[in-house]
This record gives sequence, structure tokens and C-alpha cells, in this order.
Amino acid sequence: NAGVMQNPRHLVRRRGQEARLRCSPMKGHSHVYWYRQLPEEGLKFMVYLQKENIIDESGMPKERFSAEFPKEGPSILRIQQVVRGDSAAYFCASSTIAGTSRYEQYFGPGTRLTVT
Amino acid sequence: RKEVEQDPGPFNVPEGATVAFNCTYSNSASQSFFWYRQDCRKEPKLLMSVYSSGNEDGRFTAQLNRASQYISLLIRDSKLSDSATYLCVVNDIRAYKYIFGTGTRLKVLA
Repeated sequence: NAGVMQNPRHLVRRRGQEARLRCSPMKGHSHVYWYRQLPEEGLKFMVYLQKENIIDESGMPKERFSAEFPKEGPSILRIQQVVRGDSAAYFCASSTIAGTSRYEQYFGPGTRLTVT
Repeated sequence: RKEVEQDPGPFNVPEGATVAFNCTYSNSASQSFFWYRQDCRKEPKLLMSVYSSGNEDGRFTAQLNRASQYISLLIRDSKLSDSATYLCVVNDIRAYKYIFGTGTRLKVLA
């Protein structure tokens, strides 16, 4: 499967715990984006990363949220001390870097985080 | 005013009907436009990019009107499998950053 992969697909955490969401981009893609979708709302941009670099994190809450995309391995979105308001679907997307398709983003199946 | 606005619907249409959705955007500097489809509790899937000259892919036609800042999607000969939420996406001045509309729900009835 050469598509964007995310795991886990479902994650349940109690308030105060940490959540780690993983994303492996599509083969040949080196740009990764994270989005959050609250129930009955549109997707909101959170962060844009390239390998070992955070390019734009303007959509990330200032506290408790962080993201990385290491040289080896998947991109990780980390939420510390989760609260009920963090319950949402978190989607990762990837894109290529050049050519006419360079702005086309392809999405993974998402991680549904539930905070109890 | 929202950056990207869509009529939430739902649009309930019979099989075989033609249906059109519009989407307006506020940033005149936007350069890239897309329609995505999202099925319930699934990821958005790219339906088509929207080009200035308009483009067609089978039963789907997308148009861009820069002067009025709106994008349209036309679906001809609707199928039951077209039932989904259609998301209008516009990039902002930072080309990589997508701004999503909240989507238009379509239900095609047998």
C-alpha cells in the first residue's frame, strides 16, 4: 500500500495522559501536513513539516502540542496532558515537492482520538 | 466572513440528476483550488484540482471564477455512490496551506 499511513486508527486516552499519533507519508513524498477535524466542523491546518524541519506551525495550539518529522521514521504529532476538547479526528496528508502536482495533498485514514 | 464558504446542504437529488455546488473564497491572492470528497468518518479524497480554464473529469466539471471569487462543481448523471460531503479547498498566500470549507452534503436517492 503506497498511500499515506496513520496509526493508531483509534486512540482512547484519559484526561492528563499523552497521545502520540504517527504518520508515514506516501512513497516519494517528503512534505507532511497535520489537520484536525472537530465533529461537524471543517478540517483545520495545524502544522507543515519537511524532514527534520518544521516549516509552519501556525495552526498548532501554543501549549501541549508538538510535531516532528525525523530523518528516519514517521512524523509524530504529540499531545501532552490531553483534555476533553482534544477529542477529534487528526488527519495527516503528504505531498510531493515539485511539478504540477506539488500542491496536491493526499490524506491518510486519520486517527480518532477520544479523551475520557 | 469565513475564508471559504459553502452551502452545507444537504442536497437530496434523485439518481441521474445533475447537481451543482458553489463555493466562495475571500483571499484574492489564492492560487490553487481543489474539490475533495469525504465519506462519513473517512479521510478526504482528492476529486479534482480546479484550473482557471475549467476542467472536466467524466461526470464532474469544475469551474473557477476569479473575478467573483467562487468555484463550482457540477455532477452529471448522479449515482448513489456520489453520496458524500464535498469539500472546497483553497490555498492561502502560503501555497502549501489549505483552507477547507465545511463541506456540502449530497445524498443521491434511488
